[in-house]
Amino acid sequence: QVTLRESGPALVKPTQTLTLTCTFSGYSVRNSPLCVTWIRQPPGKALDWLAVIDGDDNKYYNTSLKTRLTISKDTSENQVVLTMTNMDPVDTATYYCALRGNHCYYGVDVWGQGTTVTVSS
Amino acid sequence: DIQMTQSPSSVSASVGDRVTITCRASQGISNWLAWYQQKPGRAPNVLIYAASSLQSGVPSRFSGSGSGTDFTLTISSLQPEDFATYYCQQTNSFPLTFGGGTRVEIK
Repeated sequence: QVTLRESGPALVKPTQTLTLTCTFSGYSVRNSPLCVTWIRQPPGKALDWLAVIDGDDNKYYNTSLKTRLTISKDTSENQVVLTMTNMDPVDTATYYCALRGNHCYYGVDVWGQGTTVTVSS
Repeated sequence: DIQMTQSPSSVSASVGDRVTITCRASQGISNWLAWYQQKPGRAPNVLIYAASSLQSGVPSRFSGSGSGTDFTLTISSLQPEDFATYYCQQTNSFPLTFGGGTRVEIK
């Protein structure tokens, strides 16, 4: 069974950098094809796609956030990491990682439970 | 970026009703569209991918259709567990984008 678990700080201060980790169980981040995405959801709002990394290490980002985001793989830990710089209260949201063991054309079919991040001083 | 517009934003329906949700892309996306269901406090689950392919384990009352710019999710006979919010997502080109969601409520 494939599971994903997001981890990171529950509270960050404005201007700080957020680092979130998605840990894989039952599946290798080295696999290809592979589509691993980060998605967030502010309270009471719609899903907001953030970034993706695929099996060939291609990376793509949300256009309005691309200067602040970095996605990467840590193959030794079987994880995907997302960093977001210069955090602001509007970035308060639940952050999800999600996976498809195939190309991103097919959407994602395995989700973590999400991790809630609050940005406040 | 490709903009995804869902309608309606909410719908009230009864158990047994047929429910249709539409999603329009701001430019052609072939058949690269996914539909997700999200219940309160839970992560989304994929229902449909490639516009009309039913994800394994998803009940057959869910179906998807469309290509190009216009797409539809249909629930043929609404069940109590189907009251949730539904999102479309274009998977044709990066950045991938979601629609604004459709909330299906109990009438």
